[in-house]
Amino acid sequence: DAGVTQSPTHLIKTRGQQVTLRCSPKSGHDTVSWYQQALGQGPQFIFQYYEEEERQRGNFPDRFSGHQFPNYSSELNVNALLLGDSALYLCASSFHRTGGQETQYFGPGTRLLVL
Amino acid sequence: AQSVTQPDIHITVSEGASLELRCNYSYGATPYLFWYVQSPGQGLQLLLKYFSGDTLVQGIKGFEAEFKRSQSSFNLRKPSVHWSDAAEYFCAVTLFYNQGGKLIFGQGTELSVKP
Repeated sequence: DAGVTQSPTHLIKTRGQQVTLRCSPKSGHDTVSWYQQALGQGPQFIFQYYEEEERQRGNFPDRFSGHQFPNYSSELNVNALLLGDSALYLCASSFHRTGGQETQYFGPGTRLLVL
Repeated sequence: AQSVTQPDIHITVSEGASLELRCNYSYGATPYLFWYVQSPGQGLQLLLKYFSGDTLVQGIKGFEAEFKRSQSSFNLRKPSVHWSDAAEYFCAVTLFYNQGGKLIFGQGTELSVKP
């Protein structure tokens, strides 16, 4: 049973560029969440996708956008990259349950460096 | 404001010694509670979770955690630490009924294990 997978593992971009990160959820999961983890910090919630729609969003600017596909995989897009966007980007998947009690399982992350 | 506090940034214990990592939350209602572990450069692995019921929960790798409503705490414990337990540990909470599954993480506690 494959867990959550993310690609690429590492990425180097320059300021002003755009980047797309990809995530495939764990088998049987239908919900994908994205987090940003700066060095030495805990992960910060970016947004969550369920049924191909953004279900909730954290305090991130519109430069951060996403998409969920019919097969439940997801992309995170960041436009106009800033140096401060350098971080580990984590994808987590879960199975939607009415009333809550969802458990999120994380992928290995994509390390983004903006120069 | 809703928050999660891990008071200890770094803890060092001797191999074979017991371990307790502290986690306190600030919420108006009882949240769902999680502990994750992160090895250097890796994603997050779920250790255990609390949704309801028995306030002492067992997890993987010999870890357990106790939910204490009166203290708003969810401390992680292990009776005998192994060198392979050296990693970063994150406490996380969520309120599904109004948060849509967003996990809020503490700053993390880095665990070092002395031989």
